[in-house]
Amino acid sequence: QVQLVQSGAEVKDPGASVKVSCKTSGYTFTNYHLHWVRQAPGQGLEWMGIIDPSGGGTSYAQKFKGRVIMTRDTSTSIVYMEVSSLRSEDTAVYYCARSPRPRQQLVEFDPWGQGTLVTVSS
Amino acid sequence: EIVMTQSPATLSVSPGGGATLSCWASQTVTSNLAWYQQKPGQAPRLLIYSTSTRATGIPARFSGSGSATEFTLTISSLQSEDSAVYYCQQYNNWPITFGQGTRLEIK
Repeated sequence: QVQLVQSGAEVKDPGASVKVSCKTSGYTFTNYHLHWVRQAPGQGLEWMGIIDPSGGGTSYAQKFKGRVIMTRDTSTSIVYMEVSSLRSEDTAVYYCARSPRPRQQLVEFDPWGQGTLVTVSS
Repeated sequence: EIVMTQSPATLSVSPGGGATLSCWASQTVTSNLAWYQQKPGQAPRLLIYSTSTRATGIPARFSGSGSATEFTLTISSLQSEDSAVYYCQQYNNWPITFGQGTRLEIK
């Protein structure tokens, strides 16, 4: 079955960077786009961006441009999301989520990874 | 950016009853609207996509309707396990956006 398994929780200092991984299995990695969504404590869901695992192309929400980089490794079927210049407001659970239809970007998300808590604190 | 607004913020319903959750878009999203259920400590789970299509394994108690800018998620025969926060999401335009959520309490 399709699975997205994310890396473990992280604690970072302000100004540092964090790289979260999302290991995929159960399907052809290059056929389905992957999104990243974050959720601050007690808050709603915020879309961050999308990556095409086939060619590596990315598109980011405006507020994350210049501070977020999404990459992929086709040999291991893993996608990564790196956030730099971390500040306290970046404390959140970060989720990867897959497009359920091949080669389509503007779609609903299914399934989701289990989430990775990133805490930014000095 | 399309702003999604959900109402009410919190809804309390008795077991066996029904619930109607609303979602409005600041401009048309045609039928490109999804609903998710999120329980504490868990990732969101897809319930409904394309306004009214149930995702795999979702019981018929969950139904979606609407079009353009007004959408509804209806849940019948409520069970304690339905306690969760429900989010709507539009995927008609970039950036993809979510509503702020409706907390459903079963008591």
